[in-house]
Amino acid sequence: GEQVEQRPPHLSVREGDSAVITCTYTDPNSYYFFWYKQEPGASLQLLMKVFSSTEINEGQGFTVLLNKKDKRLSLNLTAAHPGDSAAYFCAVSANTGANTGKLTFGHGTILRVHP
Amino acid sequence: EAAVTQSPRNKVAVTGGKVTLSCNQTNNHNNMYWYRQDTGHGLRLIHYSYGAGSTEKGDIPDGYKASRPSQENFSLILELATPSQTSVYFCASGDQGGNSDYTFGSGTRLLVI
Repeated sequence: GEQVEQRPPHLSVREGDSAVITCTYTDPNSYYFFWYKQEPGASLQLLMKVFSSTEINEGQGFTVLLNKKDKRLSLNLTAAHPGDSAAYFCAVSANTGANTGKLTFGHGTILRVHP
Repeated sequence: EAAVTQSPRNKVAVTGGKVTLSCNQTNNHNNMYWYRQDTGHGLRLIHYSYGAGSTEKGDIPDGYKASRPSQENFSLILELATPSQTSVYFCASGDQGGNSDYTFGSGTRLLVI
């Protein structure tokens, strides 16, 4: 089955710096990619959903890059602020095969942004 | 507003006891999922369902059962709870198809003593 490796497990940056979280996956049928944010004690909220046809996706204060050749997905928070402190999870699903519709999650990255 | 509601929010159970975690969704999604979240493991899929009457085993189904009596409701059942099942459990719903993101419930914190 699909395996998703997420790095780093912990990340501490200063306010205003960038923070990069990376996931690699194994299933060549993986087609849909998701980033979720989880604040302490809360549920998971969708940050962005990307498709394999688009390599660069920009959100509010972050960019998601997809490298299909290397099976790598990254989340780049530009100019991080304390409100970005949370756990971040990548997730992957396929559009065909046994993993269709099932999200496989990375183990998460706990990001701390300090002043 | 469409939502996924879990109950209870917190639960303390004794070893060997039966525990039922409930989930209700108003999204009219076909698919529902139960995950547990543990430090160092992220979210791991326990059981899922494609619709009323359907349950499927996820990646870590041992020690758990699931029930989907209706489109809206999906329960996770621990027949004989063990301390290793102490965790935070999340229910989610999603549409069919790989492009569907999930809507998550607020989670249930289960402590088995």
